Amino acid sequence: QSALTQPPSASGSPGQSVTISCTGSSSDIGGYDFVSWYQQYSGKAPKLLIYEVTKRPSGVPDRFSGSKSGNTASLTVSGLQPEDEADYYCGSFARRNNYVFGTGTKVTVL
Amino acid sequence: DVHLVETGGGLIQSGGSLRLSCAVSGFSVRDNYMTWVRQAPGEGLEWVSIFYPGGGTDYADSVKGRITSSRDNFRNTVYLELNDLRPDDTAMYYCARRHTANWAHQWWGQGTLVTVSS
Repeated sequence: QSALTQPPSASGSPGQSVTISCTGSSSDIGGYDFVSWYQQYSGKAPKLLIYEVTKRPSGVPDRFSGSKSGNTASLTVSGLQPEDEADYYCGSFARRNNYVFGTGTKVTVL
Repeated sequence: DVHLVETGGGLIQSGGSLRLSCAVSGFSVRDNYMTWVRQAPGEGLEWVSIFYPGGGTDYADSVKGRITSSRDNFRNTVYLELNDLRPDDTAMYYCARRHTANWAHQWWGQGTLVTVSS
């Protein structure tokens, strides 16, 4: 099955914002509001950041926000902090393949 | 507190089999959607399988026919049996609880590493 497409890398200085895109199709992102975002530090398990496109689990800072337009979802990290340096993955329900993750984006805080 | 602890990984020769375990505390595996996700070294996340509360299963095309997911309600543990292993099955295998309604993978274990040698 094809992974959702993310840019390999993104970067910003502390305090700036960075937005990561996640592109799929009408069979996944475009057809359903079941998009999630995950943060993964090196050597650690992923952590849920965003679910249902825009919602944050308890404890996730409101600097993290999600959105969707058509077949593309986005994660914005506002007010970048050094601890935001990590890999970020989108994920979505996929009609054909049950669930699909994105290719991943490495965020660097300059 | 919720905990998921995977065990059973290791070094195995190509063509071999392994059974991974995911012991859960803090919720009942019987009532939840339990998934396995793997991550090859330096690569992204790949959804592998799901075990539904009703007992059904679904698998990724890349592993279909070679893996079996199961559950032990008494031990509150889910399993993933991997057969006919290939070098490209080398990965960290995570189990996770998928939310019932919103499909988000809410809780994750720390993973167990499977290394397949050729």
